Amino acid sequence: KAGVTQTPRYLIKTRGQQVTLSCSPISGHRSVSWYQQTPGQGLQFLFEYFSETQRNKGNFPGRFSGRQFSNSRSEMNVSTLELGDSALYLCASSLNGQGSSPLHFGNGTRLTVT
Amino acid sequence: GQQVMQIPQYQHVQEGEDFTTYCNSSTTLSNIQWYKQRPGGHPVFLIQLVKSGEVKKQKRLTFQFGEAKKNSSLHITATQTTDVGTYFCAGFLYGNKLVFGAGTILRVKS
Repeated sequence: KAGVTQTPRYLIKTRGQQVTLSCSPISGHRSVSWYQQTPGQGLQFLFEYFSETQRNKGNFPGRFSGRQFSNSRSEMNVSTLELGDSALYLCASSLNGQGSSPLHFGNGTRLTVT
Repeated sequence: GQQVMQIPQYQHVQEGEDFTTYCNSSTTLSNIQWYKQRPGGHPVFLIQLVKSGEVKKQKRLTFQFGEAKKNSSLHITATQTTDVGTYFCAGFLYGNKLVFGAGTILRVKS
């Protein structure tokens, strides 16, 4: 079974630009969660989508948004990028949702904002 | 806010020594999960604990969930260099929210 696939692996953007990250979950998994990982802040929850509906949201500004498609693939968008948005963005899929079943993480997208 | 505190932040041990990381929640948890992230890698699921007082073992790893379901620990017996990485707990709060601890970085000297 293929694992969670995130694209692209690396991105370099400048302040003010926007970016879209993509995540393809494990086949059959209906939940996709997004996390931001930085050395000082650990794993910060962004949002969870389940069957195309946002089920949960973390404490991030509205510049961070996401969506899930009918095939469970998910995208995350960050608008008006700031230097502090530089981080590793991890996507995780699970069968029944975070907490109910294990999270399977992708390799992440490393975003650098200059 | 709801938090899951994890200590220590960092531990450097001699190969063969034991290692323990602890998680504490301010509120009762529905369950707790543990993950391991190798340097340069992504978090990988290790185990989930659900019942009060539950103890589970995976070879040299022992996981415990407290009686009050507010704390948990991961103990590694006789560490090896392959144990290097960051260990995260993630507490599932009633209300469908999974909160990660800050992680414990384990380094092993051979």
